Amino acid sequence: EGQLVESGGAVVQPGGSLRLSCAASGFRFDAYAMHWVRHAPGKGLEWVSVITWDGGITNFADSVKGRFTISRDNSKSSLYLQMTNLRPEDTAIYFCARAGEMYGLTKWFDSWGQGTLVTVSS
Amino acid sequence: ETVMTQSPATLSVSPGERATLSCRASQSIATNVAWYQQRHGQAPRLLIYGASARATGIPARFSGSGSGTEFTLTISSLQSEDFAVYYCQQFNNWPPWTFGQGTKVEVK
Repeated sequence: EGQLVESGGAVVQPGGSLRLSCAASGFRFDAYAMHWVRHAPGKGLEWVSVITWDGGITNFADSVKGRFTISRDNSKSSLYLQMTNLRPEDTAIYFCARAGEMYGLTKWFDSWGQGTLVTVSS
Repeated sequence: ETVMTQSPATLSVSPGERATLSCRASQSIATNVAWYQQRHGQAPRLLIYGASARATGIPARFSGSGSGTEFTLTISSLQSEDFAVYYCQQFNNWPPWTFGQGTKVEVK
């Protein structure tokens, strides 16, 4: 299933920006769609964004649309989440997760990183 | 958006006992549901996919069932490491992929 390691979490003021990274290893990164999922304090899991294996298609939850962008560098086996205009309600642990099939989007998430904490507070 | 509703929010069970967790979808999702376990401070772990298939390395005490709108995760005999939060997720109607709000399984 490989390994996923997130980084980049920090404390940031409302309105600020942050870029999260997810380093993948142990599998063919360029064959899998990748997701970002977040877990806010006291709440359940919330899907945030997806990018296809070739970066050609992206999609976002309504709660982050227009503020977050997702990208990937297959040459570096890395996934990114650029977050702008951050709000207190974006405070959460952010996980990257692998789609459960090669070259597809229709499945579950079969491998997750340990997460990185983003805190939006003044 | 397909809303996933889990019940109960908290389940108190003694070690060795059976735990039954429920998940209801707001519309039919066939068997396109997965279950995840999240221990405190850890990443979610895939347990069940396609409503009833166990993921690699998942013990046989975990089983899933259901189709359409009603789904169940059963843990036949709770071990100490099973006390955690469990989430169901639908992957039938996306985006967005949606999760239930979670069921916490705690020691009775």
